[in-house]
Amino acid sequence: AQSVAQPEDQVNVAEGNPLTVKCTYSVSGNPYLFWYVQYPNRGLQFLLKYITGDNLVKGSYGFEAEFNKSQTSFHLKKPSALVSDSALYFCAVRDRYTGGFKTIFGAGTRLFVKA
Amino acid sequence: GAGVSQSPSNKVTEKGKDVELRCDPISGHTALYWYRQSLGQGLEFLIYFQGNSAPDKSGLPSDRFSAERTGGSVSTLTIQRTQQEDSAVYLCASSFPPRTGTNNSPLHFGNGTRLTVT
Repeated sequence: AQSVAQPEDQVNVAEGNPLTVKCTYSVSGNPYLFWYVQYPNRGLQFLLKYITGDNLVKGSYGFEAEFNKSQTSFHLKKPSALVSDSALYFCAVRDRYTGGFKTIFGAGTRLFVKA
Repeated sequence: GAGVSQSPSNKVTEKGKDVELRCDPISGHTALYWYRQSLGQGLEFLIYFQGNSAPDKSGLPSDRFSAERTGGSVSTLTIQRTQQEDSAVYLCASSFPPRTGTNNSPLHFGNGTRLTVT
């Protein structure tokens, strides 16, 4: 069965500092991995995804994520945080070999960026 | 272009009543999902439809929950005999059909229906 863990309920970062939001996953095969963001009073938006190849994936708003197969992790990163990055972030996994679209999400991590 | 549309945006109902939540996906999207977002609970998978295949209902929490998708487009999530623990935001998402051999398209979410059971 697929599962996703986001071990931190909340991450606090000062503006201008690097940020990391952690995600680990469990699937029976090789995964597709996704990050989504939910800004206050807005719907979830897709940020980036890992398909294959380069382990460092770049996405929207300057975010990137690093796929680590041995650690089954897909941590979200940004070199310099902005106050406007404050939001709820979700990691998601999909099994690439089932042929379907079932997507499982983590519990979410709330990011606070202080000015 | 038009995104995923959900209605109503807010629904307040009395315990024991039935409710229907509607989702209109992006035109051409064959995959459609329902999730539930409760405070502190993250996104809970409920059900997904893919084309004409039988839906994956593995996330429905009880037999009070059901969903259908008519004509491969609009979907309705029905909750019978609502309970207070059903209070949550119900999110619908849709996704592009896969290219041959791939299923890595991201989900496009609606703004959700906030259900409050009193």
